[in-house]
Amino acid sequence: AQTVTQSQPEMSVQEAETVTLSCTYDTSENNYYLFWYKQPPSRQMILVIRQEAYKQQNATENRFSVNFQKAAKSFSLKISDSQLGDTAMYFCAFMRGNKLVFGAGTILRVKS
Amino acid sequence: KAGVTQTPRYLIKTRGQQVTLSCSPISGHRSVSWYQQTPGQGLQFLFEYFSETQRNKGNFPGRFSGRQFSNSRSEMNVSTLELGDSALYLCASSLDWGADPEAFFGQGTRLTVV
Repeated sequence: AQTVTQSQPEMSVQEAETVTLSCTYDTSENNYYLFWYKQPPSRQMILVIRQEAYKQQNATENRFSVNFQKAAKSFSLKISDSQLGDTAMYFCAFMRGNKLVFGAGTILRVKS
Repeated sequence: KAGVTQTPRYLIKTRGQQVTLSCSPISGHRSVSWYQQTPGQGLQFLFEYFSETQRNKGNFPGRFSGRQFSNSRSEMNVSTLELGDSALYLCASSLDWGADPEAFFGQGTRLTVV
């Protein structure tokens, strides 16, 4: 079974600083995709970043980047220059086949 | 282009009733998935439809069912509602998981069972 673990229920960061959210997963598969989704108070799930397991290079999208450690089954999200609009619940998700398996989420609060 | 549209946004039902939720995917997307989000269980996969066929189903009782129409719009139905069915129901659409694994979510339907 595939499981996704986010060990940080809540985190806070000052505006303009950097924060890293942790995620570990468990799978016996070799090819798969990993995602980070953001869910702001509006409840709209928004894709932040995607990583393909066969790619060794870490994905980057503007201020968002990941540290993908395949052997360790670790997939952390780094947010640089945090902005107030980054305040949201962040979910790490694993995809195999045609469904997503989500972690429990991390609430991130950006403070001014 | 228009995003994923879920209707209604909010719903209040009584125990024992049934409910139907609707999801219109992004134009051209043929895969529609449904997820249930609750504070206790988090996000759980319900089922996925592609070209009117259910390809995958999560671990939910038979009271939860769905279907997809030829225009890719999808509905999910919950019969004999229980208090524990109160949740945010999210719909996600994608071109096809195999071809382009990226899901776009709607804003959800908040179901309250009283």
